[in-house]
Amino acid sequence: GDKVKQSPSALSLQEGTNSALRCNFSIAATTVQWFLQNPRGSLINLFYLVPGTKENGRLKSAFDSKESYSTLHIRDAQLEDSGTYFCAAVPNTGYQNFYFGKGTSLTVIP
Amino acid sequence: EAAVTQSPRNKVAVTGGKVTLSCNQTNNHNNMYWYRQDTGHGLRLIHYSYGAGSTEKGDIPDGYKASRPSQENFSLILELATPSQTSVYFCASGDAGDTQYFGPGTRLLVL
Repeated sequence: GDKVKQSPSALSLQEGTNSALRCNFSIAATTVQWFLQNPRGSLINLFYLVPGTKENGRLKSAFDSKESYSTLHIRDAQLEDSGTYFCAAVPNTGYQNFYFGKGTSLTVIP
Repeated sequence: EAAVTQSPRNKVAVTGGKVTLSCNQTNNHNNMYWYRQDTGHGLRLIHYSYGAGSTEKGDIPDGYKASRPSQENFSLILELATPSQTSVYFCASGDAGDTQYFGPGTRLLVL
């Protein structure tokens, strides 16, 4: 089964509203990374997390390793936030291989 | 920020032909990775490397070889390309305990 499950798979947001994306892990993850794949296909780094939280502008992410999940909060959504959001987890096996979720496709509507 | 480049950016190959995808990074990262991205699967790890001369199998290595001749370069080799290998391929680099940086991707079509 999938080691990293993202929800929801797709989401439409009105411009200016808030939402949260979630990743659940069936592996014991040590670190989590969040990416945005923009409509041109480029993968943009958003956050790299050990257990805890980070904030950058309108984005905030949290990683709870004990409960095996991570969240990405988007505040005051803008049109340029549209794209596909991926989370990736590094397991505690000692190897640096990342397991990706299947992504959340976000559309921000004017 | 690390600079990761890939070549070619687009490739059309014939079934049974050999394809080499190249990746170069200029930030002296030890680890490099090759992923493929397909609709409904997200990104899946094919091969990775911890440094020059090392290659390791990822989750879906069948049909692919990798080569890491130097710190900067990591190649993905399809000895006998098949239509099922049509995909978008991403290279990434990073160090242990740090973020990964991705290249722009290569679109491969195998006819």
